Parts: sequence; C-alpha cells; structure tokens
Amino acid sequence: DGGITQSPKYLFRKEGQNVTLSCEQNLNHDAMYWYRQDPGQGLRLIYYSQIVNDFQKGDIAEGYSVSREKKESFPLTVTSAQKNPTAFYLCASSIGGTSGRRNEQFFGPGTRLTVL
Amino acid sequence: AQSVSQHNHHVILSEAASLELGCNYSYGGTVNLFWYVQYPGQHLQLLLKYFSGDPLVKGIKGFEAEFIKSKFSFNLRKPSVQWSDTAEYFCAIDSGYSTLTFGKGTMLLVSP
Repeated sequence: DGGITQSPKYLFRKEGQNVTLSCEQNLNHDAMYWYRQDPGQGLRLIYYSQIVNDFQKGDIAEGYSVSREKKESFPLTVTSAQKNPTAFYLCASSIGGTSGRRNEQFFGPGTRLTVL
Repeated sequence: AQSVSQHNHHVILSEAASLELGCNYSYGGTVNLFWYVQYPGQHLQLLLKYFSGDPLVKGIKGFEAEFIKSKFSFNLRKPSVQWSDTAEYFCAIDSGYSTLTFGKGTMLLVSP
C-alpha cells in the first residue's frame, strides 16, 4: 500500500530539547517537503529536497534541520533554537524531476508536536 | 514572488446551499493549480487539479473549479454542500519553481 507515513502522530517534548520527526515514503518520489501548519496561517514551507543528499531552505527554516540520506526518508529535527515549535508538521512528496506534474504533492498524516 | 490569496477565512453554510470559495494568485506565467482538502482529523488530500486543457475541472465528491486566466483565479464550487464537506480547503499554485505556494486556507462549516 503506497503512501507517506509520519510518526509519531502526537509528540510531547520539554522546552530546550531537540526532537526528530520521521517521514517515510514508498511512492518512489524524488522530491520531499516539510511544512508547518498553524491555525489561520496555512502551510508554510520549512525545507524541501529535490534529490538524495541535497536539500534547500524554505520560508521558515530557522530552528530546523533536515537530512536526506535515502530517497525514502526525510527526517526533520526541531532544535531548541526554534522559538515557537508547538505546531502541526506535515511531510509531503512529489515525483519531482522534469515532469510537468513534478510538484503535485501527496501528504502524510502529520505529527502534532507540543513543547511543554 | 508568487502568492495565493483565499478571500474567506471562514465560511458557514447550511446543507444544500451552493458553495464558491475564491482563490486568486499573483504570477504572470504559466501555472498549474490545485485545491487540497483537509477533513477533521485526516491528512491533506488532493481535491482537484488543473494542468492544461479545459479550464473547468472536476474533482472528487462533486467539486469543480474554473481557471480564469484573465482574472488569475481558480475558484472552487459545489452546487449543493453536505455536512460531510466540513473541512479546511487550500488553494495552491505551481509556477515552475521547486515547490507549491499555498493560500492560507478557508475553513468551511456546513450545518445540518
């Protein structure tokens, strides 16, 4: 069953701790993305990766880090430098490359992070 | 830089009412257009998309959208909403850059 998985669904952390959110896809997509969703603000892009071992900052990358060592995986670390980390985090993937549909994105179920 | 504007942040309708959610974008070149929906407790899923051809596109669950290039618009419509259409709706454009640009979303509440 193809799709995108994110774990865990809910995550609680103490202030000052780094936390890593998991995102895995078995769609054979080249591109992967991380978004943050806050009420009334829509989806804001944190980081994206068009290919393995390469990634770019999005609009709100400060306080976050990513890696892309495998095509299927794009973990996001929320560091202690992120001033307001409590949010709903969405991972997405797309076919990427030069296809006309390269940016048609498919989303995972999300992780709700609460920092206490 | 490109941007997407969704005019209404909250919309409240009664069942069987007609729906139109506005979406305008700012970008002068060729775009692909999307509407995504997020039902309560569920993940974001594609409702419909436009790449080329007929500017009136049909999606799942009776939704449709019309691309009007001269107005830079891609409004979402449904002739008769149901309680199960209660969700948040996001418009997005692909202007050829490496990712999509999303609007801030419209929360639709349909009362039975």
